[in-house]
Amino acid sequence: EADIYQTPRYLVIGTGKKITLECSQTMGHDKMYWYQQDPGMELHLIHYSYGVNSTEKGDLSSESTVSRIRTEHFPLTLESARPSHTSQYLCASSVGLAGHTDTQYFGPGTRLTVL
Amino acid sequence: AQTVTQSQPEMSVQEAETVTLSCTYDTSESDYYLFWYKQPPSRQMILVIRQEAYKQQNATENRFSVNFQKAAKSFSLKISDSQLGDAAMYFCALSDKLIFGTGTRLQVFP
Repeated sequence: EADIYQTPRYLVIGTGKKITLECSQTMGHDKMYWYQQDPGMELHLIHYSYGVNSTEKGDLSSESTVSRIRTEHFPLTLESARPSHTSQYLCASSVGLAGHTDTQYFGPGTRLTVL
Repeated sequence: AQTVTQSQPEMSVQEAETVTLSCTYDTSESDYYLFWYKQPPSRQMILVIRQEAYKQQNATENRFSVNFQKAAKSFSLKISDSQLGDAAMYFCALSDKLIFGTGTRLQVFP
């Protein structure tokens, strides 16, 4: 399995709390991604980064924000969690060579429940 | 817009038999990649196989092979000699920011 880590694996939290989901990779990959996946459903890209200080929103609108201060670290933050944010969040990374596309390596995911 | 369609929500196969999972896609790009990812229950998503659109030859990885029909925009996955460990959700995806299909849940019976 790839060296990409997510913490926490499970989080149950009350409405209105601020949360940060951590994602780290030790492969030196330039590109990193956040996906949201509801149970039994497809993944939707919510954020991506092609390098340090570069972040973009994905195809699915999300109230979360991300930062990329270090190559290996790509945290996702929700300022005020709501029940509609309940989902699984998957982080991924890829090498980032010029041109199209590299294989993405996925973390184990964080399953978030907002009460 | 790019789309990926998996029309089989669930499939089942007997151990040691062969099963084919379907995927169709749409893109206006001429150069792209297609992927099959496997997501076992409560485990990490892993790459099964990838196909570069400009390559005519179908990709093969051990028991996994694809039937890539570029003109028909079809990208099916064939699993030969199915094993119990193949049971998982299988997602077809299209580059470059991956567009995923809705997935096919594969059950493998002994």
